[in-house]
Amino acid sequence: ETGVTQTPRHLVMGMTNKKSLKCEQHLGHNAMYWYKQSAKKPLELMFVYNFKEQTENNSVPSRFSPECPNSSHLFLHLHTLQPEDSALYLCASSQEYRAYEQYFGPGTRLTVT
Amino acid sequence: GIQVEQSPPDLILQEGANSTLRCNFSDSVNNLQWFHQNPWGQLINLFYIPSGTKQNGRLSATTVATERYSLLYISSSQTTDSGVYFCAVERGYNQGGKLIFGQGTELSVKP
Repeated sequence: ETGVTQTPRHLVMGMTNKKSLKCEQHLGHNAMYWYKQSAKKPLELMFVYNFKEQTENNSVPSRFSPECPNSSHLFLHLHTLQPEDSALYLCASSQEYRAYEQYFGPGTRLTVT
Repeated sequence: GIQVEQSPPDLILQEGANSTLRCNFSDSVNNLQWFHQNPWGQLINLFYIPSGTKQNGRLSATTVATERYSLLYISSSQTTDSGVYFCAVERGYNQGGKLIFGQGTELSVKP
């Protein structure tokens, strides 16, 4: 595997379910990010991790819970989501978390029913 | 916060035509990237260009940081160039990692 990978690529879940999104980067980077892209809107930053430490939480509701066990892996745990949370969730990584080029995974398309 | 404005919002071209996409931003930046989002949602890095000019095949980009704008040039467009082009900026050294995206330019190249 190369670059940034995300699983699953598609997810349909009910509002009472609990699921997790996984991101893995194979670039040797130290910073990882979660972005959300709702239909017909630009990407919005959700969380930033640098060397496994969270450096940014962009006022994200607590039903989204990130986890970064090491610099290569990032998870987004989902519980009791709302239909308006349906979106494309994109993971990215960069060498460091300031002024470095960010590389994106293919995204997970989430539908909440 | 910093504002990022892209123009035009939509663009339809005939295959072989050239185009220029513009990105204006409202404050000084340490990072500026251009992306192409394909129909499947994948963001493809085109340029990392906080200042200066770069070229990659039929694509080139110029950022004039002092005047707070960046341009993406597409020459001899192909149908595979279709998709949404995003400009994204990172403001200031203490705003680490926070890429702010513009609304995008949706490009459609007709055969």
